Amino acid sequence: GAGVSQSPRYKVAKRGQDVALRCDPISGHVSLFWYQQALGQGPEFLTYFQNEAQLDKSGLPSDRFFAERPEGSVSTLKIQRTQQEDSAVYLCASSLGAQGTGAFFGQGTRLTVV
Amino acid sequence: ILNVEQSPQSLHVQEGDSTNFTCSFPSSNFYALHWYRWETAKSPEALFVMTLNGDEKKKGRISATLNTKEGYSYLYIKGSQPEDSATYLCAFMDTGRRALTFGSGTRLQVQP
Repeated sequence: GAGVSQSPRYKVAKRGQDVALRCDPISGHVSLFWYQQALGQGPEFLTYFQNEAQLDKSGLPSDRFFAERPEGSVSTLKIQRTQQEDSAVYLCASSLGAQGTGAFFGQGTRLTVV
Repeated sequence: ILNVEQSPQSLHVQEGDSTNFTCSFPSSNFYALHWYRWETAKSPEALFVMTLNGDEKKKGRISATLNTKEGYSYLYIKGSQPEDSATYLCAFMDTGRRALTFGSGTRLQVQP
């Protein structure tokens, strides 16, 4: 499809397990963002890539969270040693330019840590 | 920390009613204000990107206004339909960042 694709759509992880969430942005989009949405809250910024460069990771909540975009297209968000508070919807968005204006979102990955 | 607030948190209306929601955001370092509609199990869909004070945008029965000096935006839905049921998110972008700061959303339920 032509939109932003995220996989898996749903993930249940046991506490302590490592998970990897994938984002396929729209082809040619320079900017890629990861957001975390906890229940009842709005999405909160995690990290931003411009091509393969991670320019802002100020929103990553702990050093258990790691993101990469090695070839400037697909991105992976990895969470090590998952905790219950990591349960959330993880949204990926991409935009054509360097700004987040006009970003297109994926459907998200719902992570539940049990 | 940027504070973006939306009200009300949730709203139940009857089909045919008109409704509006509020988004308040910092009035300094403004760059853009976005409105998104997010239906369950779907991607957030961009409704409007507003950049100029006094902007008014319209898309079918939905319209939005922007006041950057006082830091608020209104979203209006005229003649609500059941398919308008969704969470409506506003998101603020300031001049120093590339990412969006979201409000917590207004959940709209339209009863047939």
